[in-house]
Amino acid sequence: EAGVAQSPRYKIIEKRQSVAFWCNPISGHATLYWYQQILGQGPKLLIQFQNNGVVDDSQLPKDRFSAERLKGVDSTLKIQPAKLEDSAVYLCASIQSSRSDTQYFGPGTRLTVL
Amino acid sequence: AQTVTQSQPEMSVQEAETVTLSCTYDTSESDYYLFWYKQPPSRQMILVIRQEAYKQQNATENRFSVNFQKAAKSFSLKISDSQLGDAAMYFCAYRSVFNGANSKLTFGKGITLSVRP
Repeated sequence: EAGVAQSPRYKIIEKRQSVAFWCNPISGHATLYWYQQILGQGPKLLIQFQNNGVVDDSQLPKDRFSAERLKGVDSTLKIQPAKLEDSAVYLCASIQSSRSDTQYFGPGTRLTVL
Repeated sequence: AQTVTQSQPEMSVQEAETVTLSCTYDTSESDYYLFWYKQPPSRQMILVIRQEAYKQQNATENRFSVNFQKAAKSFSLKISDSQLGDAAMYFCAYRSVFNGANSKLTFGKGITLSVRP
């Protein structure tokens, strides 16, 4: 069974530029999460999708971050414009449904904003 | 809101010896899940072990076991016969049993474990 796929693995941009990350969850997994992991900290939830609907985006900085999961499968997270404090690893995770308890994580995208 | 605390930022263990990583949490819920995740330098977060709060028996997975003390809200991870491949960051995480928006994981800050050959 293929795991959670993410791309790119690394991205370096200048502040005020835009960037997009892509995630493809495990096949059949209805629930998808995006977490932000700042260096030295644990991951923090940005947004949760159930199929193509948003369940929780309370921690998403909506003035600059956006995310979509149009067909209920893969998802894109965008930052526009990026700030220095957005430098972090962005992790995508999925579970079969929100009733499942174990989340499976992708390898993450390391973003550096200069 | 739930919180997870990992107060030890770093630990070191000799290869083949045993090490215990500490975690405490705070919640008003009576039932929940607790997890230990391992994150090697490659960044892939890998599940090590999970515990359901309503189960009194401590979970074990090969060389990994937990000491779950519900009243004390403590959830420590014991690694026996430590191997070089165990070197990584370890995160303690909490999840409500409720579904929907409550299914997110709340993580501690993590602990960096190094293994000395």
